[in-house]
Amino acid sequence: RKEVEQDPGPFNVPEGATVAFNCTYSNSASQSFFWYRQDCRKEPKLLMSVYSSGNEDGRFTAQLNRASQYISLLIRDSKLSDSATYLCVGGTLNKFYFGSGTKLNVKP
Amino acid sequence: DTGVSQDPRHKITKRGQNVTFRCDPISEHNRLYWYRQTLGQGPEFLTYFQNEAQLEKSRLLSDRFSAERPKGSFSTLEIQRTEQGDSAMYLCASSLGRPYRVASPLHFGNGTRLTVT
Repeated sequence: RKEVEQDPGPFNVPEGATVAFNCTYSNSASQSFFWYRQDCRKEPKLLMSVYSSGNEDGRFTAQLNRASQYISLLIRDSKLSDSATYLCVGGTLNKFYFGSGTKLNVKP
Repeated sequence: DTGVSQDPRHKITKRGQNVTFRCDPISEHNRLYWYRQTLGQGPEFLTYFQNEAQLEKSRLLSDRFSAERPKGSFSTLEIQRTEQGDSAMYLCASSLGRPYRVASPLHFGNGTRLTVT
């Protein structure tokens, strides 16, 4: 079983739509959670950390549910430039596991 | 530019040859990670260093793979007797690790794309 699992998508949404991704993690000892964005043939870039109380950064909201061992990412008012693969990451104090990524296509 | 840098960006080699990649982390970061990524998959953990000590290696890392970080700064990843299955993007990342504290996020380099023919 993979440490972190995500729906690979693709999610095809129109501009302005709200889209949500979920991700589950198997290691209950995981303490660090992040969302990364990866454009085609580029390196992953940190989108946001995920805190226990949930956190928001502009159009992006991340939530953590420890009881059910999942994290989520909500993107509001999608832009064409949001098209990318979104990677969910769960980790312990010193080791990080990545999901396979969820592909988002935002269409005009 | 004070980000993570990797060299070379691309490497094409013939099966059976040895290759070596270099990573220069963000200077104040004490942890350095190597990941491998193939098409349609997320980055897969290979190994990590805290300063010069290699603290963990993935079971997926065969004996043909070796990594070093001799002075706790840059790191090298060597693959001996390359195989076609080694073709992938090799990503290096660094972070600031503090004992008993939640890990700070990884900052990735541009990666080295390896093609084994």
